[in-house]
Amino acid sequence: DVKVTQSSRYLVKRTGEKVFLECVQDMDHENMFWYRQDPGLGLRLIYFSYDVKMKEKGDIPEGYSVSREKKERFSLILESASTNQTSMYLCASSRTGQETQYFGPGTRLLVL
Amino acid sequence: GESVGLHLPTLSVQEGDNSIINCAYSNSASDYFIWYKQESGKGPQFIIDIRSNMDKRQGQRVTVLLNKTVKHLSLQIAATQPGDSAVYFCAETSWGGTSYGKLTFGQGTILTVHP
Repeated sequence: DVKVTQSSRYLVKRTGEKVFLECVQDMDHENMFWYRQDPGLGLRLIYFSYDVKMKEKGDIPEGYSVSREKKERFSLILESASTNQTSMYLCASSRTGQETQYFGPGTRLLVL
Repeated sequence: GESVGLHLPTLSVQEGDNSIINCAYSNSASDYFIWYKQESGKGPQFIIDIRSNMDKRQGQRVTVLLNKTVKHLSLQIAATQPGDSAVYFCAETSWGGTSYGKLTFGQGTILTVHP
């Protein structure tokens, strides 16, 4: 079974802090994605990566950056957290040529 | 831009009934459609998928129907059980070019199954 893990289930941070959200997948997938999920807005794509050290902006990249130094790991970085970044963050991965994305359990981030 | 949407935000059914969750999409170039189930506190889980060259696909207790003429997708759950209570999302992608399999998600439908 595909396993996607995220470093934290719940996180509380203060405005202005730098926040790292880590995602690891164990299926050697080429593609990895970061989404945020908010009530009434569904899943929105922040960034994705189709290869090591490659990254592409999604629909809402502002305020975020990403890092993919190894194939299995994709990190989402909030350089200076703001209250409007309070959300559920979901990581997903997929194999090139197979469009199904497999999701991690999510990290619920609260920025005070 | 293109979007995927759902007709009904909530659906309540009795245990044992059949459930139908609907989804409309607007991208006529969509190649591939997926249904996900998201239980409270968890990430979305893959349920079933269908390609644009098919109009029906069946899984275990679930059937997905695709009507490309009216750009409509539905998920049918047979003999719905309390464990089916969750939010259901449809998603679509048009593979090719530089899309890298990016999915566009609908808003989600909350399915509540009453014992």
